[in-house]
Amino acid sequence: QQQVKQSPQSLIVQKGGISIINCAYENTAFDYFPWYQQFPGKGPALLIAIRPDVSEKKEGRFTISFNKSAKQFSLHIMDSQPGDSATYFCAGRYSGNTPLVFGKGTRLSVIA
Amino acid sequence: NAGVMQNPRHLVRRRGQEARLRCSPMKGHSHVYWYRQLPEEGLKFMVYLQKENIIDESGMPKERFSAEFPKEGPSILRIQQVVRGDSAAYFCASSLGMEQPQHFGDGTRLSIL
Repeated sequence: QQQVKQSPQSLIVQKGGISIINCAYENTAFDYFPWYQQFPGKGPALLIAIRPDVSEKKEGRFTISFNKSAKQFSLHIMDSQPGDSATYFCAGRYSGNTPLVFGKGTRLSVIA
Repeated sequence: NAGVMQNPRHLVRRRGQEARLRCSPMKGHSHVYWYRQLPEEGLKFMVYLQKENIIDESGMPKERFSAEFPKEGPSILRIQQVVRGDSAAYFCASSLGMEQPQHFGDGTRLSIL
């Protein structure tokens, strides 16, 4: 049973464009939704995170949009750069419980 | 380097041998989590530990796998009698406390011959 569904599996975006990655979750007990960025051979690095009491959070070029009623959230990367090429993972975490439940990842390629 | 340190970065074992993976959390962090990542897959939770205690091991196979986080020293994930299906990247994360952000190490890539 996949509790966090992520799409697309891969994404190619032109330099300067907007990259959009979507996630949907099943369990309304999730209360924390982080996004991680992973480069080949490296561990996931925390990029940005949101809680269900806000609908949007922005940090630099990265924005999370959150739709609680639809149980969906998305990552937007504005002005995408070749250096953003990586695999991105969304995750959810239950209230009071700490293990993260990850989506399967999106491989982003930003081409010049 | 104040980040989560994992060693070895790469580990090769033959079927039936034991694998020991080590994780030193970030300074001041007393919560450690182990995850496993298969190719083209997300990370799957295995076990959550605090100093000297296993808090949640619901994601860890009941046989051959064990984990510890002693009072002194790194956390250890131990896999006995390894099989080909154990080949994966194993990541450790640490946090300052419960419900705090988790920060990951660069993982141990385990290959079973």
